Amino acid sequence: GESVGLHLPTLSVQEGDNSIINCAYSNSASDYFIWYKQESGKGPQFIIDIRSNMDKRQGQRVTVLLNKTVKHLSLQIAATQPGDSAVYFCAENWGSGGSNYKLTFGKGTLLTVNP
Amino acid sequence: SQTIHQWPATLVQPVGSPLSLECTVEGTSNPNLYWYRQAAGRGLQLLFYSVGIGQISSEVPQNLSASRPQDRQFILSSKKLLLSDSGFYLCAWSTPRGTNEKLFFGSGTQLSVL
Repeated sequence: GESVGLHLPTLSVQEGDNSIINCAYSNSASDYFIWYKQESGKGPQFIIDIRSNMDKRQGQRVTVLLNKTVKHLSLQIAATQPGDSAVYFCAENWGSGGSNYKLTFGKGTLLTVNP
Repeated sequence: SQTIHQWPATLVQPVGSPLSLECTVEGTSNPNLYWYRQAAGRGLQLLFYSVGIGQISSEVPQNLSASRPQDRQFILSSKKLLLSDSGFYLCAWSTPRGTNEKLFFGSGTQLSVL
């Protein structure tokens, strides 16, 4: 079964607000995490990743926070724009240096940005 | 730069017909290759992955098979499609460096089995 899940299946925000999308994972051995954005009818696009030796990583308008104590991952989007409307997936991997080539994906959160 | 091509974009097939979806990657050598399926409004389910030519790992028992005849070519097949094979199929690649690497996805194939 899946070990990565999301607290909220849908999130609706106003344009210009900040968005926070949450993700819980259950495998304490997970050491690599990724956020993907998927627009309707398209393949997922990489947004940002973080390794377990970090607790925060910033990109352009996005920040990923990792709390290993409670096995929680979040994606923060600053000044959310209509183009950010999409489904967001978190994914995890474990086995650094080993043979696990597989990412496990959560179910996704639909982000809707209202103008 | 690396690119991934997946075709066709959409496909409507009758039950019992064969299937062949193709995926190719350019700009990299010896990539890890993956096939995922996504049901409507759901997450991504890993079907197959390959770390080299002729090396296929299957994740779930099913009506589908995969082959990797060339380094950068990954094919998803079925001899006889079932209604339950309908879905959005995604090919992806990652670098051959090993684990903990991001996946890059193709644009997907929407398969409808009627």
